[in-house]
Amino acid sequence: GAGVSQSPSNKVTEKGKDVELRCDPISGHTALYWYRQSLGQGLEFLIYFQGNSAPDKSGLPSDRFSAERTGGSVSTLTIQRTQQEDSAVYLCASSIGRASGANVLTFGAGSRLTVL
Amino acid sequence: DAKTTQPPSMDCAEGRAANLPCNHSTISGNEYVYWYRQIHSQGPQYIIHGLKNNETNEMASLIITEDRKSSTLILPHATLRDTAVYYCIVRPMDTGRRALTFGSGTRLQVQP
Repeated sequence: GAGVSQSPSNKVTEKGKDVELRCDPISGHTALYWYRQSLGQGLEFLIYFQGNSAPDKSGLPSDRFSAERTGGSVSTLTIQRTQQEDSAVYLCASSIGRASGANVLTFGAGSRLTVL
Repeated sequence: DAKTTQPPSMDCAEGRAANLPCNHSTISGNEYVYWYRQIHSQGPQYIIHGLKNNETNEMASLIITEDRKSSTLILPHATLRDTAVYYCIVRPMDTGRRALTFGSGTRLQVQP
């Protein structure tokens, strides 16, 4: 597609429920990133996928968070047993993923998660 | 990645040039300087990047000092729509396949 597409744009859930957030990157982009931004805070890195390599999961805040990327394209971020502190905007970005040279990230509009 | 230092906030009058500084005194020769911005309630947006030379595109100009220890992002005629948080990021060219982290940036307020 022309840009990075994220769904849903807004999600309200009850504490303890599981949620799935979807990211559809730009076609041909091998690198995909998930970030989280709580209200009034900066961007917090969560996880990074690059081609068929093992993902960099170093930013995931707990084992309730997981992500997968099927077929090197669409990615799903899953949050199990949601807590109120999980409320945030979840942002996805993709890039061409050059091994060297400049890599520019294109971000989606984000998925706003509210846990009641 | 080299650490960057930016002022937390700046004001600029509408129609005037906005000059946003970034200090990256530990930058090494193979590291790019990138600028992104985040307008309220939107995802971050790429603005410009450079290695050694000054760069200009339709959005902004990037001036990198000769010693590469600092840079300035210039928005030549700021508008109210340029009010945003601006992030300066330094990243090696040979680690393109690695996560990109954002600092706290500079909150630019364009005043009418």
